[in-house]
Amino acid sequence: AQSVAQPEDQVNVAEGNPLTVKCTYSVSGNPYLFWYVQYPNRGLQFLLKYITGDNLVKGSYGFEAEFNKSQTSFHLKKPSALVSDSALYFCAVRDEIGDDKIIFGKGTRLHILP
Amino acid sequence: DVKVTQSSRYLVKRTGEKVFLECVQDMDHENMFWYRQDPGLGLRLIYFSYDVKMKEKGDIPEGYSVSREKKERFSLILESASTNQTSMYLCASSLTGTFTTNEKLFFGSGTQLSVL
Repeated sequence: AQSVAQPEDQVNVAEGNPLTVKCTYSVSGNPYLFWYVQYPNRGLQFLLKYITGDNLVKGSYGFEAEFNKSQTSFHLKKPSALVSDSALYFCAVRDEIGDDKIIFGKGTRLHILP
Repeated sequence: DVKVTQSSRYLVKRTGEKVFLECVQDMDHENMFWYRQDPGLGLRLIYFSYDVKMKEKGDIPEGYSVSREKKERFSLILESASTNQTSMYLCASSLTGTFTTNEKLFFGSGTQLSVL
């Protein structure tokens, strides 16, 4: 069965600094990886995904993520953080093998400090 | 844009009541999902459906059932609500069951259920 781990409950970054939110996964086949963001009092929004192709994936709001098969990781990154990036971020995985379940991590709360 | 609509934003029920949470999507998506979101636990999959009248258990199906009589509607049922089912419930939908470059989940705004 697939699983995903977000090792940090919270990440604090100063505005203007680069940010990284970590995600590792476990699957039987090839992974299909996603990042979603939840702003306060709003639903989850899709940020980006890796299905196949380039390991560096670019998404909404200037975010990108790097797929690393050997380290089974899919860390979310942004070169320069904005205060408005403060939100709850979820990594999700779907396994190429098996059913169509999409499993989410526990989430990482990102605080961007002005 | 795809719209996923959950019938109630807030719901308060009593222990033992039968509770129906409704979800409707307007983009003819095959897949529909029910998650619950709890602080520190993230999103946990309760049930999902990849076609009408089809359902699959997720990671925490106990105490829940689902119904998908029509493609656009996916209902979550709490047969006898308990206080540990107090949570935010999120419905989502997506395109076909095969992996496509367009695949992503579209979420509803959630239903905050309180069981007293």
